[in-house]
Formats: sequence, C-alpha cells, structure tokens
Amino acid sequence: SYELTQPPSVSVSPGQTASITCSGDKLGDKYACWYQQKPGQSPVLVIYQDTKRPSGIPERFSGSNSGNTATLTISGTHAMDEADYYCQAWDSSSVVFGGGTKLTVL
Amino acid sequence: QVQLQESGPGLVKPSETLSLTCTVSGGSVSSNTYYWTWIRQPPGKGLECIGYISYSGSTNYNPSLKSRVAISVDTSKNQFSLNLSSVTAADTAVYYCARVLSNYGDYYMDVWGIGTTVTVSS
Repeated sequence: SYELTQPPSVSVSPGQTASITCSGDKLGDKYACWYQQKPGQSPVLVIYQDTKRPSGIPERFSGSNSGNTATLTISGTHAMDEADYYCQAWDSSSVVFGGGTKLTVL
Repeated sequence: QVQLQESGPGLVKPSETLSLTCTVSGGSVSSNTYYWTWIRQPPGKGLECIGYISYSGSTNYNPSLKSRVAISVDTSKNQFSLNLSSVTAADTAVYYCARVLSNYGDYYMDVWGIGTTVTVSS
C-alpha cells in the first residue's frame, strides 16, 4: 500500500518560514493536499491540488509538489499556526494520510 | 453552507458493532460531485480513512478494516452511516465524517464534521 512520510515535529520562530515535507513514491505524479488540526478541533483543509488555497486560508500558506516530495510552506509564521499538519494523497482509489507533523512556534 | 454532524453511541462494548450516522445539512448526499467518508483518529495519533461511499452507493474500504466495515447512504434522510463490527479497544477513537470533493483528479476533504468520541470498553 502507498505510504506518505512526514517528520514528527518542526519548530519555527514567530515571523520566520516553516516548511513541512511529505514524502512518497512518485508523489509529484499525484495531487497532494494539506490539513491543519488544532487541539480538540476537526482538521481544516489549507492546501489542495498541490498549490491552491481554499477561501479563507491566509496567503502565508503555500504548497508545492515535485518528484517524491510535497512541501507545505508557512511564511511569516504566526503563533496561531501552531498545530498538527497532515498531508494527504489519493492512490489506487484510496485516501492516504501522512503520519502528521506537529508545528511548534517558539 | 454545508454542515456535517456525527451521531451515535459514545460507548460500545468489545465484540459489539459500532454504528454512527452523519447527517448532511445545506447540501445533498445525492450530488454526483462528492463522495462521503469516515475518518478516525485514535487518542494522540494520526488520521485514518475508514472508507467512503458515492452518491450511487459504491464503496471503498481501508483494506485493514474491510472485513468489519460497512458504509451506507440514505438519500431520503440525507445521511450516511458507518457500521464497524467486532470492535476492540483499538477502535477507540474520534470518528469524523467528511465530504470528499473530486476535482481534476484530486480528491480531498473540504468539509468535516466536528467529530464524535467512541470508546470501546466493557
């Protein structure tokens, strides 16, 4: 079965740029999306189709996907961006999630 | 604005069947633009897709759960449901229902319910 791998944790200082990676075999040939989940809340879609932001998602969130790696980038990180982030792709008619990355803003 | 709401027992005994329902408001489960899915999250762990169903009733299940899972849709009530049989403590989790949007070969969950906690315990 297809697997997506994320680093368990990433730390960033406020105002700096955070990058969270998601790796999978030939992931660049598929679409990747990203969800943000804060404690006690449902996940929220922040990036879809590799690079697109849903309405209401701040411009500081961006995405890319090439080769075996998709990347979520948060520019000018705010304290409110501290959360768990999950990548997701679609493979062989199945939904596949990465293991999640805890973003700490300190 | 579409909203999803999970409902069902918060406590299920081991070996019994977990049954949850997701009620869709502000939209229709009969739309051919979407799939409808169940996602779960064990305490302190990541997200796992249990399976999904289309408006026509075709299903796809996580291979690791396939022998115990059934997802169905009731268009008359604008709901879809999850049955998970022979549960164990490992099935304790927050269960989310969500809408899957199919868009140019991309499939992603654009609307989520608030989730419901299910504990498996005697």
